[in-house]
Amino acid sequence: DSGVTQTPKHLITATGQRVTLRCSPRSGDLSVYWYQQSLDQGLQFLIQYYNGEERAKGNILERFSAQQFPDLHSELNLSSLELGDSALYFCASTSGGAAYEQFFGPGTRLTVL
Amino acid sequence: AQSVTQLGSHVSVSEGALVLLRCNYSSSVPPYLFWYVQYPNQGLQLLLKYTTGATLVKGINGFEAEFKKSETSFHLTKPSAHMSDAAEYFCAVTYTGKLIFGQGTTLQVKP
Repeated sequence: DSGVTQTPKHLITATGQRVTLRCSPRSGDLSVYWYQQSLDQGLQFLIQYYNGEERAKGNILERFSAQQFPDLHSELNLSSLELGDSALYFCASTSGGAAYEQFFGPGTRLTVL
Repeated sequence: AQSVTQLGSHVSVSEGALVLLRCNYSSSVPPYLFWYVQYPNQGLQLLLKYTTGATLVKGINGFEAEFKKSETSFHLTKPSAHMSDAAEYFCAVTYTGKLIFGQGTTLQVKP
């Protein structure tokens, strides 16, 4: 158990819909990263938040957005869903900088039908 | 820009045999390098990392990796494979914090 929790574990929805994925980092970790894992793209960095502020952005679609709340939990919002958005979405948290280990949650498997 | 190439999407070894998973990276700045393992239906778990200092890094479950700057490599090894090592392995590089992953290597261990 990494100490990072993600809900829901599975999500099945239809094209055009909007969903919210939730992540609670390890206690004390200020930094949260979101990653997408798909068969065709592999594991890709989406976005990073540090203590409520956006720190870095990867190849995140404009239909996707995220935020980190004062209690440090983070949400990833995916809208106007397409079939190609079906993937495993991970969040990871860390207490330090780039050299520090990122602890990964179990992921949310999103299926868009 | 940083990138990672993992040679071989699928590696099969016999139980007790040497495990060698290859990783080459590209980075314009001194990189931090990581190996993560993913078991079915689970998140990623850190095996080991290289940041600075000793280039031979030991990790969990008997794995180790050697950072070779001249070869831009960070290959993962284990002297003797165990059935429980069957999983997907990811090499990753970073300098800023966001992890850039390779495509992953699935390790199969045959009895």
